[in-house]
Amino acid sequence: SQKIEQNSEALNIQEGKTATLTCNYTNYSPAYLQWYRQDPGRGPVFLLLIRENEKEKRKERLKVTFDTTLKQSLFHITASQPADSATYLCALDLSGSARQLTFGSGTQLTVLP
Amino acid sequence: ETGVTQTPRHLVMGMTNKKSLKCEQHLGHNAMYWYKQSAKKPLELMFVYSLEERVENNSVPSRFSPECPNSSHLFLHLHTLQPEDSALYLCASSQEFRAWNEQFFGPGTRLTVL
Repeated sequence: SQKIEQNSEALNIQEGKTATLTCNYTNYSPAYLQWYRQDPGRGPVFLLLIRENEKEKRKERLKVTFDTTLKQSLFHITASQPADSATYLCALDLSGSARQLTFGSGTQLTVLP
Repeated sequence: ETGVTQTPRHLVMGMTNKKSLKCEQHLGHNAMYWYKQSAKKPLELMFVYSLEERVENNSVPSRFSPECPNSSHLFLHLHTLQPEDSALYLCASSQEFRAWNEQFFGPGTRLTVL
């Protein structure tokens, strides 16, 4: 069955370092992959969308890569700050319908001052 | 503010109660969603309403009943819930029901079933 795996449930890094989060998926290769940020007790907030023909996408300190051969997306936050502490979710279409998104369980990032 | 509002923010109900969750979006979007988020579990899509269709997750019990009277409002009617239904219920909207459209989420309703 189709599955999404996000690396380790929790990730702690030192302020100023680059955080790298992983999203792996099995079987079907989606045409689109999205990343969201979720703070405790709140709804997710959209960050970036990357298409299968885009190897990399950047937005300010954020960078996303999409490797359809490895079936993996990497999400980087450079020069991390304590305010970046949150849970980060990847979401992709595993149904092949190009409509419904399936969300990963998320990686909780803590940036230590 | 994401442009998606949900009420109430918190709800405690007994197993025999009937209640409704409300969602409203002010973004002019054509698709609206209900998600369930339980502790340590991924977001689970429950229902989708779009101009073209209604989509539902077949694993959602019938004690959850959605209603979408127009493209701006979405309700989730709850009746005879179980304690395992306690979770954060999130409403979202997007321009269309497409995987390349970003979804805008409301703040959620924290539901506790006693």
